[in-house]
Amino acid sequence: AQSVSQHNHHVILSEAASLELGCNYSYGGTVNLFWYVQYPGQHLQLLLKYFSGDPLVKGIKGFEAEFIKSKFSFNLRKPSVQWSDTAEYFCAVNADTDKLIFGTGTRLQVFP
Amino acid sequence: GAVVSQHPSRVICKSGTSVKIECRSLDFQATTMFWYRQFPKKSLMLMATSNEGSKATYEQGVEKDKFLINHASLTLSTLTVTSAHPEDSSFYICSARDGTISTDTQYFGPGTRLTVL
Repeated sequence: AQSVSQHNHHVILSEAASLELGCNYSYGGTVNLFWYVQYPGQHLQLLLKYFSGDPLVKGIKGFEAEFIKSKFSFNLRKPSVQWSDTAEYFCAVNADTDKLIFGTGTRLQVFP
Repeated sequence: GAVVSQHPSRVICKSGTSVKIECRSLDFQATTMFWYRQFPKKSLMLMATSNEGSKATYEQGVEKDKFLINHASLTLSTLTVTSAHPEDSSFYICSARDGTISTDTQYFGPGTRLTVL
């Protein structure tokens, strides 16, 4: 069965620090990969997605993610975080079906 | 574009009553809608997938008679929690997929907080 793991459950950073959130999935075939963000009190929003092509994907608000097929990874990065990036981040994957399988999420807190 | 709404945003009900939650795609036709449940500090768990005009497909462990899903039109799906109990208290989120776009992206509603007393 497909699964998604996010290694960092809670990350605390100061503003301007660099961010990398890990995401690994288990599935041997072709996958579509997503990062969603949930700001406090708000709904899930799509940050970026990878379907095919360039494995380095750029999303909104300065985020990017790199698909490394050999490592089954799709880590999220941002060179310099802001206080407004405080949120919950979810990695998700779907393969062969409509279903999205979500990771457990990473809570990011950014302090000024 | 790609806005999904849910109604109500919050509902409190007594144990044993039924609660209906609506999910609407406002500016696109959603051939497929999904219902998730999100527990505190946990991820989203897919409950069921509904396709317009057909019966919903439930995930393992989800009681289809308790969580009734109807997807009668391309813009509306409803989730009815029947005979609700306190353990059904949770955050219910729907998402919709735009069938006219080739990319497989789901757009999420704002969620409904259900509290069963």
